[in-house]
Amino acid sequence: NAGVTQTPKFRVLKTGQSMTLLCAQDMNHEYMYWYRQDPGMGLRLIHYSVGEGTTAKGEVPDGYNVSRLKKQNFLLGLESAAPSQTSVYFCASSYEIRGRGVRGTEAFFGQGTRLTVV
Amino acid sequence: QKEVEQDPGPLSVPEGAIVSLNCTYSNSAFQYFMWYRQYSRKGPELLMYTYSSGNKEDGRFTAQVDKSSKYISLFIRDSQPSDSATYLCAMEYSSASKIIFGSGTRLSIRP
Repeated sequence: NAGVTQTPKFRVLKTGQSMTLLCAQDMNHEYMYWYRQDPGMGLRLIHYSVGEGTTAKGEVPDGYNVSRLKKQNFLLGLESAAPSQTSVYFCASSYEIRGRGVRGTEAFFGQGTRLTVV
Repeated sequence: QKEVEQDPGPLSVPEGAIVSLNCTYSNSAFQYFMWYRQYSRKGPELLMYTYSSGNKEDGRFTAQVDKSSKYISLFIRDSQPSDSATYLCAMEYSSASKIIFGSGTRLSIRP
C-alpha cells in the first residue's frame, strides 16, 4: 500500500518554464489537497478537491492550476514558473472520520516535492 | 491577519519535561481541530484530532480546545528525544473541507 505518492521528488526550473506535479493516492479517498511549505509559513493551501472532476481555490492559488480527472490523481500545474514559487510542495488525501460522537478528517501526506525556480 | 496563528519557536526542553504547544484562531466557524507532527524532510502525520471543546488524551499527548477563547493546545508529558519534530495545528470549518494549518512550532527535546 503506497499511500500518497508525489512525482517528481526534486526539480529545478528556469523562470518562465512550465511543469506539472503529479499526486497519486491508492486509498480511494475523495478529498485531495496541494500545499506549499516555506520556512516560517507553515503549510499553505494552494488548491483542493472534494471529488473527481471538482477543484477549489485555497489560500494561495495564484500562479497555479489543478485538475482532478481521475479520483486517484491530483495534478498541480505551474504555467510560468517564478522564483517566488520556490518551495516544498506537499500533496495530501483525506477521508472523513466518523465515530460515536466524533467527526473529523485525517489527511495523509506525500513525501513532498522540492522545487527550485532560478 | 492569518486565520490560524502559531508560535514558530524553536522550543528546546530537557527530556522528561512537559511541553505545551499552542495555537489561536480568529474564525469561530472552525469546528474540527487537529495536531500534526512533521519530522525533518517528511510529510506531516496526524497526531490527534478533536471535535469539541475540552480535553482529549492519547498516551502522553493531551489535546485541549477552548472555543470560547479560540485557543487550542497540545501537551506532551514525559517528553522524549523522539518527540523532536515540528508540530502543526490544523483546523477545518466542517468535516472533510479545506484544512488550514498553523505555521508550525519546531520542538527539540534534549537528552
